[in-house]
Amino acid sequence: GAVVSQHPSRVICKSGTSVKIECRSLDFQATTMFWYRQFPKKSLMLMATSNEGSKATYEQGVEKDKFLINHASLTLSTLTVTSAHPEDSSFYICSARDPSVRTDTQYFGPGTRLTVL
Amino acid sequence: AQTVTQSQPEMSVQEAETVTLSCTYDTSESDYYLFWYKQPPSRQMILVIRQEAYKQQNATENRFSVNFQKAAKSFSLKISDSQLGDAAMYFCAYYSDRTASKLTFGTGTRLQVTL
Repeated sequence: GAVVSQHPSRVICKSGTSVKIECRSLDFQATTMFWYRQFPKKSLMLMATSNEGSKATYEQGVEKDKFLINHASLTLSTLTVTSAHPEDSSFYICSARDPSVRTDTQYFGPGTRLTVL
Repeated sequence: AQTVTQSQPEMSVQEAETVTLSCTYDTSESDYYLFWYKQPPSRQMILVIRQEAYKQQNATENRFSVNFQKAAKSFSLKISDSQLGDAAMYFCAYYSDRTASKLTFGTGTRLQVTL
């Protein structure tokens, strides 16, 4: 089956620094990837849709300059949290769509826990 | 906008018993897809079952089955012969190619499985 990886799985950083999270589709080419944020005991909140070779589409209320998304290849999307603050601490999950299979199904990465001190 | 509602924040079931998780949704589309995802303590999202709206037949995957009522916009998940490994958060989700092409998740139901 389709596998999506994320790196790192866990990261702790100081307030004011930037953190990059990678999302890779390991055995398929993903023209579209999605970034979600999940607070404890809450549902997944879509932050942005990342399309290979073009600018990401951000959901309402998500700061584009705060959460930089790059989808430079068909197997890699990155989320950079810039000038991180404690309120950015959360669980970040990416997912990818395999267009060769069907467009409705997303394959999820294992998530990245970000803690900002 | 599409909305997905899960009215049961928590459910509990005894091992080997059957439990049904509820989900309702709101849409004006006629062609869409519905999903149940499982999120165990590891936080990895796992696709449990998928239903295409144009199919009247309810989807089934081993011990998991759905009751899809299109007119009522209801999509419940039945877990038979519950196992300890079924304990997790369960999210109902909606997708349509015509509108935004993104998954809309419900708030989730936490399922506990007791001995």
